[in-house]
Amino acid sequence: KAGVTQTPRYLIKTRGQQVTLSCSPISGHRSVSWYQQTPGQGLQFLFEYFSETQRNKGNFPGRFSGRQFSNSRSEMNVSTLELGDSALYLCASSLAGTGKDEQYFGPGTRLTVT
Amino acid sequence: GDSVTQMEGPVTLSEEAFLTINCTYTATGYPSLFWYVQYPGEGLQLLLKATKADDKGSNKGFEATYRKETTSFHLEKGSVQVSDSAVYFCALRAPGRRALTFGSGTRLQVQP
Repeated sequence: KAGVTQTPRYLIKTRGQQVTLSCSPISGHRSVSWYQQTPGQGLQFLFEYFSETQRNKGNFPGRFSGRQFSNSRSEMNVSTLELGDSALYLCASSLAGTGKDEQYFGPGTRLTVT
Repeated sequence: GDSVTQMEGPVTLSEEAFLTINCTYTATGYPSLFWYVQYPGEGLQLLLKATKADDKGSNKGFEATYRKETTSFHLEKGSVQVSDSAVYFCALRAPGRRALTFGSGTRLQVQP
């Protein structure tokens, strides 16, 4: 069974631009979560989607948004990029997103904002 | 709020040495506890987990026991290999919540 895939793997953007990252979960998984990883703040939860609905949201500004499609694929969007948004963005999928589900992570998209 | 504290790295060991990476947590109730590993340039891989007190998670020679009385979940391995060099993250998921709370990570370097 294929794992979680994320595209693109690397991205360079300029301050003020916007960016869209994509995540395809493991087949059959309906929950997708997004995390930001930076050297300073570590791994922080962004949001989680299940059946096209955002169920949980972390403490990030409104510039960070996401959505999920009917095939469970998810995208996250960051508008008006800032230098501090440079990070590794990780997507994780799980079967139903219950507290007992294991989360499987993708390889991440490394975003560099210049 | 929930939090996870890990020992600072890097931890540098010789091959076949014994490994301990300390992890303590703060959470209400009985969270599920996890260890994830991240190899260079890759995402996170679940290494092991424990969902209730006194549970022992184990995988690939690594072990960790859920200690409610000391709020700890220390990672151990009896004999490390060069291929174990990676960053290890302790994490928890509080009851009723779906998001993981991670520690800051501990880099392990194993020398031949």
